[in-house]
Amino acid sequence: GNSVTQMEGPVTLSEEAFLTINCTYTATGYPSLFWYVQYPGEGLQLLLKATKADDKGSNKGFEATYRKETTSFHLEKGSVQVSDSAVYFCALSGVAGGTSYGKLTFGQGTILTVHP
Amino acid sequence: NAGVMQNPRHLVRRRGQEARLRCSPMKGHSHVYWYRQLPEEGLKFMVYLQKENIIDESGMPKERFSAEFPKEGPSILRIQQVVRGDSAAYFCASSPPSAGLAYEQYFGPGTRLTVT
Repeated sequence: GNSVTQMEGPVTLSEEAFLTINCTYTATGYPSLFWYVQYPGEGLQLLLKATKADDKGSNKGFEATYRKETTSFHLEKGSVQVSDSAVYFCALSGVAGGTSYGKLTFGQGTILTVHP
Repeated sequence: NAGVMQNPRHLVRRRGQEARLRCSPMKGHSHVYWYRQLPEEGLKFMVYLQKENIIDESGMPKERFSAEFPKEGPSILRIQQVVRGDSAAYFCASSPPSAGLAYEQYFGPGTRLTVT
């Protein structure tokens, strides 16, 4: 079945540092890939997405590129802020017609803390 | 356009009682998904519903859990005879009828269930 593996956390950075959170996946076909962010006590917010190989999703300074050859979707940001402190989840959704179509499979989440 | 609504936000039940969690999808959305987040874990898919139909319930425990999405009104996740292991955050998400390959889901704020 489908699975998503994220780098182990937590990740602690100083403001303006470069961020990378690794994400790799296992799936049949060409799933859609997502990054969601969860702030304390809140639900998940979609951060960015990519639907096919070599697509780059971007939002609020965050980027991730769909790499089919390495089955990866690493999240990057060039300069983090204190307000980026949250839990980040990588996720995939199955392709139409597949048994996993319609549901998201999540990684375990990575806690990011940014200090001033 | 209001987002996905969930209520209650916090629910406390004693062992053996029933818990009812409600979810109103975004306006125009006809697909609803339920996910469970156990402490220190990522989100796990439970069930995928469309109006009056259960599309995929592969993530639902076999006993005590049920879900519905009636023609009128919110989607309901029902947990009978709750046990302490049911304590978790339960998130609802919705997507529009023609989500296409991206299958973008919008999440509610969650219901935090505590079983005492």
